[in-house]
Amino acid sequence: QSVLTQPPSVSGAPGQRVSISCTGSSSNIGAGYEVHWYQQDPGRAPELIIFGNTNRPSGVPDRFSGSKSGTSASLAITGLQAEDEAYYYCQSYDSGLTTSVFGEGTWLTVL
Amino acid sequence: QMQLVQRGSGLLKPYETLSLDCSVYSGPFNSYRWAWIRQAPKEGLEWLGEIHEGGRVNYNPSLKSRITISADARKKQFSLRLRSVTATDTATYYCARASGGVEVDGFFDPWGQGSQVTVSS
Repeated sequence: QSVLTQPPSVSGAPGQRVSISCTGSSSNIGAGYEVHWYQQDPGRAPELIIFGNTNRPSGVPDRFSGSKSGTSASLAITGLQAEDEAYYYCQSYDSGLTTSVFGEGTWLTVL
Repeated sequence: QMQLVQRGSGLLKPYETLSLDCSVYSGPFNSYRWAWIRQAPKEGLEWLGEIHEGGRVNYNPSLKSRITISADARKKQFSLRLRSVTATDTATYYCARASGGVEVDGFFDPWGQGSQVTVSS
């Protein structure tokens, strides 16, 4: 059981907008630690898509955006495409555990 | 573009030592932290530890008695050793560059290709 809670799955039709939540606590997101997001295709290594709460690495489409408020963060994907179907993980730091921590992952289905 | 290439053990027996290496290509080695992360079958991601420039290490407390991360800057390579493995250590192991944050509170990019490790008698 991770200290960062994500929904197991979300879905949306092509072209639509979906949002994936990442809920933490006062020892991680709520303590001001940054949230980062990764996309993982099955059988492949995760890839960074958002760092520092809201920043996109070079090459990541601006359809992907991140936000953070209080003890939670969200990843939004607009203009859904079939290639967006993948697992998405949030990540932060937990001062109680003294480790980087990952959410349990959310599978995005593009209908 | 920086690339991380992993090499190392695949099938281990209980109580053996897991050994993985990660080589860094097309980018600097110094001035970064280097991390190991694993993913058990159908599970999420677990941070194992990081090594800082100069050799200082931070480990996941759950593994602290069994894990060693080391680095050879001259070879642009860092390594993971996990002693006395059991079936619960069966996972895909990833190396990654850690950036941002202050200590171990950064993000990971890029990642190695992953190494499947199975522990079975």
